[in-house]
Amino acid sequence: TQLLEQSPQFLSIQEGENLTVYCNSSSVFSSLQWYRQEPGEGPVLLVTVVTGGEVKKLKRLTFQFGDARKDSSLHITAAQPGDTGLYLCAGVYGQNFVFGPGTRLSVLP
Amino acid sequence: ETGVTQSPTHLIKTRGQQVTLRCSSQSGHNTVSWYQQALGQGPQFIFQYYREEENGRGNFPPRFSGLQFPNYSSELNVNALELDDSALYLCASSSAGTGDYGYTFGSGTRLTVV
Repeated sequence: TQLLEQSPQFLSIQEGENLTVYCNSSSVFSSLQWYRQEPGEGPVLLVTVVTGGEVKKLKRLTFQFGDARKDSSLHITAAQPGDTGLYLCAGVYGQNFVFGPGTRLSVLP
Repeated sequence: ETGVTQSPTHLIKTRGQQVTLRCSSQSGHNTVSWYQQALGQGPQFIFQYYREEENGRGNFPPRFSGLQFPNYSSELNVNALELDDSALYLCASSSAGTGDYGYTFGSGTRLTVV
């Protein structure tokens, strides 16, 4: 059983389109993080959200933490081929730091 | 500042053998965690070391063990390798004990067990 669920599992879109990916849990997290991982590399931290309802923007990426701190979303505006990668959400659960299974995004030129 | 470095980058071992993977944490970080990432999946938490003590462990058998050294570098040891141990092994470091402020990951060691 995954503590963190992500949807969709796979997403293939055309350059210029908008998209939203989701991270959900039945547990409350003190914070959630989003990472992007490219093939052959380790995950790279994009953002940390801490407060319920918090919205953070990073250029064309908008991250939101749910009011109850059980879910989060990542919205990408005008996707570009460089956005292609595996998007992972992660959070602290007890003493452990757990990842979701990821959303694999492919942006076609 | 230097990031997290892992060695080796690739490794092929035979079933039943033992392997040691190494990780140098980012300067100033005192917490190191190890993850196993199977192909097409998210990283699975193996264990975490904070100031040389194990500070949490995931659902991995005892043949997965680790060490953290006074300079905060770390080793992951796996005994009696099985075919299912083939994966990308990631090391991550942070400056907070629980990683609330985000981890810096290395590029990983790709282990293949044949």
